[in-house]
Amino acid sequence: GAVVSQHPSRVICKSGTSVKIECRSLDFQATTMFWYRQFPKQSLMLMATSNEGSKATYEQGVEKDKFLINHASLTLSTLTVTSAHPEDSSFYICSARKRTVNTEAFFGQGTRLTVV
Amino acid sequence: QKEVEQDPGPLSVPEGAIVSLNCTYSNSAFQYFMWYRQYSRKGPELLMYTYSSGNKEDGRFTAQVDKSSKYISLFIRDSQPSDSATYLCAMTTGGFQKLVFGTGTRLLVSP
Repeated sequence: GAVVSQHPSRVICKSGTSVKIECRSLDFQATTMFWYRQFPKQSLMLMATSNEGSKATYEQGVEKDKFLINHASLTLSTLTVTSAHPEDSSFYICSARKRTVNTEAFFGQGTRLTVV
Repeated sequence: QKEVEQDPGPLSVPEGAIVSLNCTYSNSAFQYFMWYRQYSRKGPELLMYTYSSGNKEDGRFTAQVDKSSKYISLFIRDSQPSDSATYLCAMTTGGFQKLVFGTGTRLLVSP
């Protein structure tokens, strides 16, 4: 199988602080990882695409200085929410694709972020 | 018009029923099609992955792609209460292009 592990599953932080979410592909190399945000009862909203060793590509309307993405290795990508605000509270999910073209994406378990 | 259209539901069926979930799309360049199942507060789980037109079967699940009509379906036979979840269709043109998701259909299977 293809397992993607996301950590932490839940986090509560204070306004103004930063929080880091990790996404790891456990049994495959992921050239490309995607970060999504999901609001209650809504579909996935793509935030950014990250390729190993290069800068992430952000979707329109997503602040790259607020949502810092690092994809330092073929098995790890991180999303850092900087200077968090209550409106950043959401469900964040990562997905990873194997290091070959035209393959399906596998998702992490998601991270529930609550900013108080 | 959204690139991918999917009825949000909810779709309520009794246990044992055959469920049909569908998506339509507008981009004829899409070639790879996926169905994901998402339980509440969990990440999506890949159910089916198909390339181009045709059918693919895996246990109780059958995925169909009709590229001429830009229409894809997921059939669930002998539905179970544990199948109650949101089902998302997703598609891509290929390569390392991003997935485009439908809004998801919420399925409720009652015992």
